[in-house]
Amino acid sequence: KQEVTQIPAALSVPEGENLVLNCSFTDSAIYNLQWFRQDPGKGLTSLLLIQSSQREQTSGRLNASLDKSSGRSTLYIAASQPGDSATYLCAVPSYNTDKLIFGTGTRLQVFP
Amino acid sequence: KAGVTQTPRYLIKTRGQQVTLSCSPISGHRSVSWYQQTPGQGLQFLFEYFSETQRNKGNFPGRFSGRQFSNSRSEMNVSTLELGDSALYLCASSLGVGGAYNEQFFGPGTRLTVL
Repeated sequence: KQEVTQIPAALSVPEGENLVLNCSFTDSAIYNLQWFRQDPGKGLTSLLLIQSSQREQTSGRLNASLDKSSGRSTLYIAASQPGDSATYLCAVPSYNTDKLIFGTGTRLQVFP
Repeated sequence: KAGVTQTPRYLIKTRGQQVTLSCSPISGHRSVSWYQQTPGQGLQFLFEYFSETQRNKGNFPGRFSGRQFSNSRSEMNVSTLELGDSALYLCASSLGVGGAYNEQFFGPGTRLTVL
């Protein structure tokens, strides 16, 4: 059974720092991995989707990497800003059931 | 292009009532999935529809049901509401069959409070 965990659970940093958020999954036979952002009480915003054949995806200040063999993905946020404050979730498709299995999330606070 | 829309955004109901939530996917998307989010359980999969057919269902009681219309809009219904049904209900759409295997786009959610 696929399990997805995220470390750290919470992170508080000053503005301008470069950040690394971690996502681990137990079954390396994933089809893709998606990173989301969720603001309090709001829906999920898709940030990046990495296919299993890819090692990296970049969008602006965000860079996500994928290492299937070790069951890990990292989300790198460059030059963090207060507007980056949110909960970040990673998710992988469950084999044969068309559902996403979500990680536990990392709650990020960036203070001025 | 408009994103995923969900209505209503907020609902307050009492135990025993029933509720219907609506989701309109991104234009051209034919797959719609529903998730329940609670502080204790996180995000849990309810069901997925593609071309008006339910393809998968999560581990929820029969009080939770859904359907999809020919224009890909979807509704979910919860009957005989319980306090534990209080949650944020999220709808996601994607382009092709096998929703989770494609990039998923989520709506803003419907916040349901059961008193």
